[in-house]
Amino acid sequence: EEQLVQSGAEVKKPGESLKISCKGSGYSFANYWIVWVRQMPGKGLEWMGIIYPGDSDTKYSPSFRGQVTISADKSISTAYLQWSSLRASDTAMYFCARQQELMEPNDYWGQGTLVTVSS
Amino acid sequence: SYVLTQPPSVSVAPGKTARISCGGNNIGSKSVHWYQQKPGQAPVLVIYHDSDRPSGIPERFSGSDAGNTATLTISRVEAGDEADYYCQVWDSSSDHVAFGGGTKLTVL
Repeated sequence: EEQLVQSGAEVKKPGESLKISCKGSGYSFANYWIVWVRQMPGKGLEWMGIIYPGDSDTKYSPSFRGQVTISADKSISTAYLQWSSLRASDTAMYFCARQQELMEPNDYWGQGTLVTVSS
Repeated sequence: SYVLTQPPSVSVAPGKTARISCGGNNIGSKSVHWYQQKPGQAPVLVIYHDSDRPSGIPERFSGSDAGNTATLTISRVEAGDEADYYCQVWDSSSDHVAFGGGTKLTVL
């Protein structure tokens, strides 16, 4: 059974760093793109960026380029989203999802990771 | 960047038909996907490639895409269909995905 399992909720202070994860199982992790999507409280879905674990090809939304880093380790079937210096405005739910090709839909989603940034 | 426009809300009585639009420049030339999201849950794919249904999605869900508007149609609406719905396309010119702002479907 294909599955994406994300790391647990985080509570951080402004200025701290953070790395959350998304582990795939039940399929060939290296051969599917992994996308990260932000959902701020009460708001819609925002596409942050995407990575192909097979060769680490990565694309970022202009809104998030330079604000976060997306990476993956295909040897452990895990993708990551990281911040070097969190802001209160990073408080949101973050979802990962997979897609087979860039034009394909996101057919499997992680359960989401809630990140809360507060002093 | 490519912009997708959805109505913020749509209301429909049980048993009737709901239509949720997604407007974009020449969206008919793109492949549109639709997601359903219920409170506290991850999104679920309900329509892909304009009009295909994943396994497990009821036939009541259908999609169309032409000109500058894509439409998600839900026939014989049930209380369990109440959710937020998002359209999505891959914009090859900018090499990233666009999501619509989402539509809250209320079943009266």
